[in-house]
Amino acid sequence: GAVVSQHPSWVICKSGTSVKIECRSLDFQATTMFWYRQFPKQSLMLMATSNEGSKATYEQGVEKDKFLINHASLTLSTLTVTSAHPEDSSFYICSAGVQGGGALDTQYFGPGTRLTVL
Amino acid sequence: AQSVTQPDIHITVSEGASLELRCNYSYGATPYLFWYVQSPGQGLQLLLKYFSGDTLVQGIKGFEAEFKRSQSSFNLRKPSVHWSDAAEYFCAVNNAGNNRKLIWGLGTSLAVNP
Repeated sequence: GAVVSQHPSWVICKSGTSVKIECRSLDFQATTMFWYRQFPKQSLMLMATSNEGSKATYEQGVEKDKFLINHASLTLSTLTVTSAHPEDSSFYICSAGVQGGGALDTQYFGPGTRLTVL
Repeated sequence: AQSVTQPDIHITVSEGASLELRCNYSYGATPYLFWYVQSPGQGLQLLLKYFSGDTLVQGIKGFEAEFKRSQSSFNLRKPSVHWSDAAEYFCAVNNAGNNRKLIWGLGTSLAVNP
């Protein structure tokens, strides 16, 4: 149980185009979804937290107009990288939160999406 | 501020040897602690978690971790390492606040010699 999928697993795009990444919780309903960015050989950097039906909460330094997050249902969240540039090339990972009691969540992670912007 | 420290950036062990990966945290209240593993090219997999109760937690793949409040530690252990355990290991703390964010350590890269 607690499987999270991401699509696509990798994408190559031209500079200036937009790319959409989907994150789905396959066998559970996620109250909260998280989007991370991971640079090579580094830890995860949280970009934003999204709750179904409400606006995402972005971390300091993350441009909300560049990284658009939509959380339309309890099983689907999307991240759109708008007007992508080479510096946006990275490994993007989503996670879905399962409430474990009270304010506690366990996060289950998708396999990640490798974005390369030419 | 909350923080997680993984003192060892890289560890190499021989196959069959025991393993201990260190994790120290700084958190004002009772922490909720996690260990995740990331294999090359793959996503993060939850190994185990501690919420409350028994301070020795059993996880998947033969891993266990012990919560020691007095030392602010949550070290991961495995009695006998397999070559397939080579991966990146991350310790994390849940801030248990309204936003449920995880505070991450920088990770420990584990290499296993045959």
